[in-house]
Amino acid sequence: SQQGEEDPQALSIQEGENATMNCSYKTSINNLQWYRQNSGRGLVHLILIRSNEREKHSGRLRVTLDTSKKSSSLLITASRAADTASYFCATDDDKLVFGAGTILRVKS
Amino acid sequence: GAVVSQHPSWVICKSGTSVKIECRSLDFQATTMFWYRQFPKQSLMLMATSNEGSKATYEQGVEKDKFLINHASLTLSTLTVTSAHPEDSSFYICSAMRTGSSYNEQFFGPGTRLTVL
Repeated sequence: SQQGEEDPQALSIQEGENATMNCSYKTSINNLQWYRQNSGRGLVHLILIRSNEREKHSGRLRVTLDTSKKSSSLLITASRAADTASYFCATDDDKLVFGAGTILRVKS
Repeated sequence: GAVVSQHPSWVICKSGTSVKIECRSLDFQATTMFWYRQFPKQSLMLMATSNEGSKATYEQGVEKDKFLINHASLTLSTLTVTSAHPEDSSFYICSAMRTGSSYNEQFFGPGTRLTVL
């Protein structure tokens, strides 16, 4: 069953702007992972944040985790047209359970 | 490293036929592989967990007799869609977990687009 709920469902921004995607989940987790999927392709792992971490950075990506609110956010700074893709959060409590995803479109 | 391939990348078949999809970990050993299904503009739904040398574990609602999984080696898992029907048309994605991984680190294949006529 799907555990993660993501918002927004779709996001359209101009190149150079920041994009923020949110994910909420229902049960306890070991870690939370974010993935990217280009249209019709497989998933690419972006970043993992453990349940005892609150924030993590990787290049232009910033992920936060609030276990009290059971929510996470993914921030992409200085977006590029090549960032256009679907982004999924996945909670890990033994197996990965994916959220509904956010479709991001970055216009050049 | 950590590349996972799928074959074929797309397949079109007639209703009633069976289709086999292969998932290979190219540069690492994977005791555990996963099979997901994705409908257009939707998320990934886990179908089953494939363990090398043992029976697959299917998620609730997934027919094990329809979706046959074989994980005969540490680098290969196959999914066979038996007696395929148009409602089985979907994007099937596999992932592989590196043996000895400290967390649920999965590497995903590029997916297989199945169209059943």
